Amino acid sequence: EVQLVESGGGLVKPGGSLRLSCAASGFTFSSYSMNWVRQAPGKGLEWVSSISSSSSYIYYADSVKGRFTISRDNAKNSLYLQMNSLRAEDTAVYYCARSQLADYWGQGTLVTVSS
Amino acid sequence: DIQMTQSPSSLSASVGDRVTITCRASQGIRNDLGWYQQKPGKAPKRLIYAASSLQSGVPSRFSGSGSGTEFTLTISSLQPEDFATYYCLQHNSYPRTFGGGTKVEIK
Repeated sequence: EVQLVESGGGLVKPGGSLRLSCAASGFTFSSYSMNWVRQAPGKGLEWVSSISSSSSYIYYADSVKGRFTISRDNAKNSLYLQMNSLRAEDTAVYYCARSQLADYWGQGTLVTVSS
Repeated sequence: DIQMTQSPSSLSASVGDRVTITCRASQGIRNDLGWYQQKPGKAPKRLIYAASSLQSGVPSRFSGSGSGTEFTLTISSLQPEDFATYYCLQHNSYPRTFGGGTKVEIK
């Protein structure tokens, strides 16, 4: 069974940093690209970033480019999102999703940016 | 960037009704589109991939159609558990883009 479990969310002040993790199991993690998608409270889904299976290709939404860094550790079956210079508008539930087709999703982790 | 325009943004329907939701892409995306269902407080769940292929385990009352720029999600007979918000997602190019969502409510 495919499982994706996000962690690392919490309350952070504007300008602060946070690192999200996504632990994958039930599939060959190193064979799949991975994504981060977020959802602000009461809003729709917003794609944040994607990374290819070998980390050769990385993409970011303009809204996070230069502030967020996606990475992965295939030996640990884990995906990461380093978030720096956080803003109030980054407040959202952050989901990791498997593959270019976003076929499986984790349950999400809430990031709140507030003073 | 490819814009995905989803309509309607909300609808009210009764159990047993046929429901149709549309996504329009700002440029052709072949059939590189998925449909997702999201219930409050839960993660999105994929229903349809490649525009018209039913995800394993998803009831056959859900169907998708379209190619290029016009796509449709149809629920043939709405069930109580189908009241949720639905999104389309294009994976033809980066940045990936979602439709704005359609909230299906009980009439």
